[in-house]
Amino acid sequence: NAGVMQNPRHLVRRRGQEARLRCSPMKGHSHVYWYRQLPEEGLKFMVYLQKENIIDESGMPKERFSAEFPKEGPSILRIQQVVRGDSAAYFCASSKLTDRTSGANVLTFGAGSRLTVL
Amino acid sequence: GESVGLHLPTLSVQEGDNSIINCAYSNSASDYFIWYKQESGKGPQFIIDIRSNMDKRQGQRVTVLLNKTVKHLSLQIAATQPGDSAVYFCAENKRAGFQKLVFGTGTRLLVSP
Repeated sequence: NAGVMQNPRHLVRRRGQEARLRCSPMKGHSHVYWYRQLPEEGLKFMVYLQKENIIDESGMPKERFSAEFPKEGPSILRIQQVVRGDSAAYFCASSKLTDRTSGANVLTFGAGSRLTVL
Repeated sequence: GESVGLHLPTLSVQEGDNSIINCAYSNSASDYFIWYKQESGKGPQFIIDIRSNMDKRQGQRVTVLLNKTVKHLSLQIAATQPGDSAVYFCAENKRAGFQKLVFGTGTRLLVSP
């Protein structure tokens, strides 16, 4: 079991370019979450997806950011026209269930993708 | 607003000591709490969780205490080891969310041999 796989681990973009971050959840997990972390801060929720559905995107900026989790393939977090303030670590997490009373619902995080905007 | 660029609170201990990391949570409606450990360059790693109907839960070398009256959570690590050095985050899950966790700002634990 390879765990949650994120790539690229490091991405450098110039202002105005697009950034695409990919996440493959753990085997058997159908729920994917994206979080953003600024240096020296805690993680901030962005979006929660299930296969082909966005369940909760209340933490995602309304413009330039989008996320998808297609039927086949990894989840993608896409940032268009990046600005310097987008520089952060973006973490993907996956879980098996939505039952918060079950230990199986614990989120497993990937190692993150670190975006630097020049 | 957000506190950008402030240094994390740091707890420095000697190997073998017991460590206590504290966290104040914000929402009295939160009913599920988790401690995560994050090593440099890595993602958060689950340590232990507790539901609001409990006030204490023990794991291997770790204990989480929950005081709902003052909205306070603590993580106790027994016989701290150098490998425990990391940033520790508490996270709360509000009733309306799925695993829409709200993370605290974190505490850096430094363990000296």
